[in-house]
Amino acid sequence: DAGVTQSPTHLIKTRGQQVTLRCSPKSGHDTVSWYQQALGQGPQFIFQYYEEEERQRGNFPDRFSGHQFPNYSSELNVNALLLGDSALYLCASSFWRSGNTIYFGEGSWLTVV
Amino acid sequence: TQLLEQSPQFLSIQEGENLTVYCNSSSVFSSLQWYRQEPGEGPVLLVTVVTGGEVKKLKRLTFQFGDARKDSSLHITAAQPGDTGLYLCAGEDNNNDMRFGAGTRLTVKP
Repeated sequence: DAGVTQSPTHLIKTRGQQVTLRCSPKSGHDTVSWYQQALGQGPQFIFQYYEEEERQRGNFPDRFSGHQFPNYSSELNVNALLLGDSALYLCASSFWRSGNTIYFGEGSWLTVV
Repeated sequence: TQLLEQSPQFLSIQEGENLTVYCNSSSVFSSLQWYRQEPGEGPVLLVTVVTGGEVKKLKRLTFQFGDARKDSSLHITAAQPGDTGLYLCAGEDNNNDMRFGAGTRLTVKP
């Protein structure tokens, strides 16, 4: 039973560039949430996708966008990267009907230089 | 401002000692989760508590949910170096979004 998988694991981008991060949810899960975790902080909620629609959104600018595909996998896109976007980006999956117990992937480390 | 306040922020103890970390909020949560995160990895779910006053035990770890469902504690007995990590609590807010505290970073020295 595959858990939550994310790619890439590490990447370095230049300020102003765009990045796409990918996530495959745990088998049987239909809901994907994205979090940003800065060094030394807890994860901050970015948004959640269910049935290919953004259902909830945290306090992040429009530069952060996402998508969910019919197979429940998801992408996080960040445009016009800033140095402050450097963080661990975590994907978490859950089953919509069973509440919000979520399971995390190992994350994608993004460094903006 | 964090919705969930965790204390202490850092804790360094010797192997064999007991410890308690806290997660507090002014909000009521329908459920609360505790996670442990090791460097370079995603958080791993330890437990979910849903009933006010609930106590759950996971080997040497004891989790308690406050009667009013606003706070929780995690007690570790006879800590081991393998317990080292960032302990995060998380709860659902009014929008059913999962909100995290900033975590307690625990170091257990051999």
